[in-house]
Amino acid sequence: DQQVKQNSPSLSVQEGRISILNCDYTNSMFDYFLWYKKYPAEGPTFLISISSIKDKNEDGRFTVFLNKSAKHLSLHIVPSQPGDSAVYFCAAWKGAQKLVFGQGTRLTINP
Amino acid sequence: DAGITQSPRYKITETGRQVTLMCHQTWSHSYMFWYRQDLGHGLRLIYYSAAADITDKGEVPDGYVVSRSKTENFPLTLESATRSQTSVYFCASSEGSRLETQYFGPGTRLLVL
Repeated sequence: DQQVKQNSPSLSVQEGRISILNCDYTNSMFDYFLWYKKYPAEGPTFLISISSIKDKNEDGRFTVFLNKSAKHLSLHIVPSQPGDSAVYFCAAWKGAQKLVFGQGTRLTINP
Repeated sequence: DAGITQSPRYKITETGRQVTLMCHQTWSHSYMFWYRQDLGHGLRLIYYSAAADITDKGEVPDGYVVSRSKTENFPLTLESATRSQTSVYFCASSEGSRLETQYFGPGTRLLVL
């Protein structure tokens, strides 16, 4: 039972344009949602998070939007840069110290 | 070096062998976690620990054993490795005030033949 889903395995975007990564979830009890970025041969690194009581959180070029009625969140990267090429994982905080991760989306930024 | 480290980074073993993956963190974080990453599944929680001598099962604990005698170390043991345990293993830690933000080690790539 995949509680957090990233339905796009990969995404290709031109440098300077907006990248939009999507994530859907099924459990309405999640308190926090997070995005992690992962480069090859490295561990995931925390990127940005959003509380379930908010609908938007912004940090520089990164903005996360949360639509609770649709159980959907998205990560916007503007403008996209070559260094943004990585795998992005959406995760949801379930309480009891448990993060539930999506399958990941590989983002490629083309020059 | 400050942070979270894992050893070995790469390991090849045979079915039935015992394997221990090491994790060490220097932040004195109370919580530590073990995940496995498999294609199509993202990261799945194996075990976690809230403090020294306190551990609990995650989503996929079968075939794994953990211990935590010291706050900074959280080893993961595969008592009798199986081919289905071929995976990339990540250790993570977090502090009590921000449990949802976990910091990951670089990973151990394990191949079971």
